[in-house]
Order: sequence, then structure tokens, then C-alpha cells
Amino acid sequence: DAGVIQSPRHEVTEMGQEVTLRCKPISGHNSLFWYRQTMMRGLELLIYFNNNVPIDDSGMPEDRFSAKMPNASFSTLKIQPSEPRDSAVYFCASSSWTDNQPQHFGDGTRLSIL
Amino acid sequence: KNEVEQSPQNLTAQEGEFITINCSYSVGISALHWLQQHPGGGIVSLFMLSSGKKKHGRLIATINIQEKHSSLHITASHPRDSAVYICAVTPGRGANSKLTFGKGITLSVRP
Repeated sequence: DAGVIQSPRHEVTEMGQEVTLRCKPISGHNSLFWYRQTMMRGLELLIYFNNNVPIDDSGMPEDRFSAKMPNASFSTLKIQPSEPRDSAVYFCASSSWTDNQPQHFGDGTRLSIL
Repeated sequence: KNEVEQSPQNLTAQEGEFITINCSYSVGISALHWLQQHPGGGIVSLFMLSSGKKKHGRLIATINIQEKHSSLHITASHPRDSAVYICAVTPGRGANSKLTFGKGITLSVRP
């Protein structure tokens, strides 16, 4: 089992640039979560999907953030335009909602906006 | 007030000591999760529980639904247990919907 795969592991870019974070969930999992972790606020849910459908995006900070899940094996989180305050570690997690099992986390993407 | 509170904020222990980390929450939940994060590392789910007690190796997690409180115990602690321990809850129904997190506790175990 490859686990949840996130890419890139690290991203450094200048403010104003578009940033795309990618996530491949564990095969067979039907729930996918995007989280953000900062020193000030800790871990926060941004958005989650069940069966590729967005269920709750109330944690998405503003319109600059968007997330898609075009199929069961891939999701993206996009920031456009990026700002320095978006610097954080972004985690993707997946789970089998029907099996009531814990979430499995990816290794995260460390994003730095200069 | 945060929905999930953890105590103590930081904890230092000597190798071999018995360690207890606490978590209190203020909302109805369907499940409580204990997560572990090593420095610069990813997040690992240690336990997901909705009642009673679970044990895995040297780790024990308990929950008291009436008191809205959970504890994570580490027996015979070891330096490799040094990590951030995060308590999270799934509010309401649906055990595997979104998580609400505590701030985490940084544990350092000295050899």
C-alpha cells in the first residue's frame, strides 16, 4: 500500500504566482480531506470530499483557494494568486468513510510564498 | 474557547516514565482521534475511539463520553516517543467526516 501521495514535497514561489498542490489518495478510499497547518493556528480543515463530491468547503480561506477532485484517485488544491500568509504545510488525508476507519495522512507539502 | 483543549502544552519526561496527555472537548462527537507528528514529519493516526479504551503496544487511549474527556497514556516512555501529540474530534454524527483539532502537545523524552 503506497499510502497517500502528495506532490510537491516543497514549494517556494513568489507572491502572485499560481500554486497547485496535488494528492493521490489510497486506492479504495472514498473520502479525501485537505488540511493546512501553521504555527499560529495549528491544523485546520480546508475542504473535504466524499465520493469525489465536495461536502464542506467552509474552511477554505477565500476565493483565491479552490479544490477539485476530478476522479477517485486525484485531487488538487490551487491558490491563485498566492500571498505570503498562505505559507504553511498542506496535508491531504484519505479514508474509507463506509468502513469507519481512521484517516491516513500524506507527508504534506511545505509551501513558502516569498 | 477552542472546541478541543489539550493539556499540558509542553511536557518533558525521563526515559522509562509513565506519561499521560489529556484532551477535553466541548461538543458532541461521534469519534475522538489521537494523532502523532514527529518534527518535520507527517501525521500518523494512533487511535480512533468513541467509547472505552484501546491499547496498541505501549500506548493506551481512554475516553469518557459523559465528561467529554480523553487521555493518552504512554508506558515505559522512550526518546523515540518524542513528538507532537494531537487530539482531534469528529463533531456530530458520521464518524469519518471532518476533524476539529487541538493545538497539540509537544512531548520530549530525555534518555
